[in-house]
Amino acid sequence: KQEVTQIPAALSVPEGENLVLNCSFTDSAIYNLQWFRQDPGKGLTSLLLIQSSQREQTSGRLNASLDKSSGRSTLYIAASQPGDSATYLCAAAGFQKLVFGTGTRLLVSP
Amino acid sequence: KAGVTQTPRYLIKTRGQQVTLSCSPISGHRSVSWYQQTPGQGLQFLFEYFSETQRNKGNFPGRFSGRQFSNSRSEMNVSTLELGDSALYLCASSLAEASGPYEQYFGPGTRLTVT
Repeated sequence: KQEVTQIPAALSVPEGENLVLNCSFTDSAIYNLQWFRQDPGKGLTSLLLIQSSQREQTSGRLNASLDKSSGRSTLYIAASQPGDSATYLCAAAGFQKLVFGTGTRLLVSP
Repeated sequence: KAGVTQTPRYLIKTRGQQVTLSCSPISGHRSVSWYQQTPGQGLQFLFEYFSETQRNKGNFPGRFSGRQFSNSRSEMNVSTLELGDSALYLCASSLAEASGPYEQYFGPGTRLTVT
């Protein structure tokens, strides 16, 4: 049974800092790994998807890496901004479903 | 292209009642999945439909059911509501075919409160 863990559970940083969010999963037999952002009371916004054959993906200030052998993914956010404040979730994709981590709540202070 | 839409956005029901939630996927997407999000359990998979067939089901009681129509729109139903069913119910759609999953796009969710 796939289990996904995210560390840290919460993170508070000043604006401008670079930061790393961690995601680990127990079963390396995944199709892909997806990172999402969730604002309070809202749905999920897809940030990056890394296919199982890929090592990383980049979008703007975001970079996500995937190491299947160690069961880890990281989301790197460069030059953080107050608008980045949200909960970040990673999800490991099985054939027909996503298994989500518990999320990292990020607060970026001006 | 319009995103995933869910109706209603908010719902208040009483214990013992039943409820039906609706999801319209992104045009062209044939796979629809449902997830339940609660503070205690996080996001949990309910079920996934593709071309009107349920392909996978999570570990939820039989009170939770769903269906998908020929236009890919999906509904989920919860019967005999319990207080613990209070949650944000999220629907996601993707281009997923038989060969494996594609990127999933989520709707805004339906907030269900059971009193």
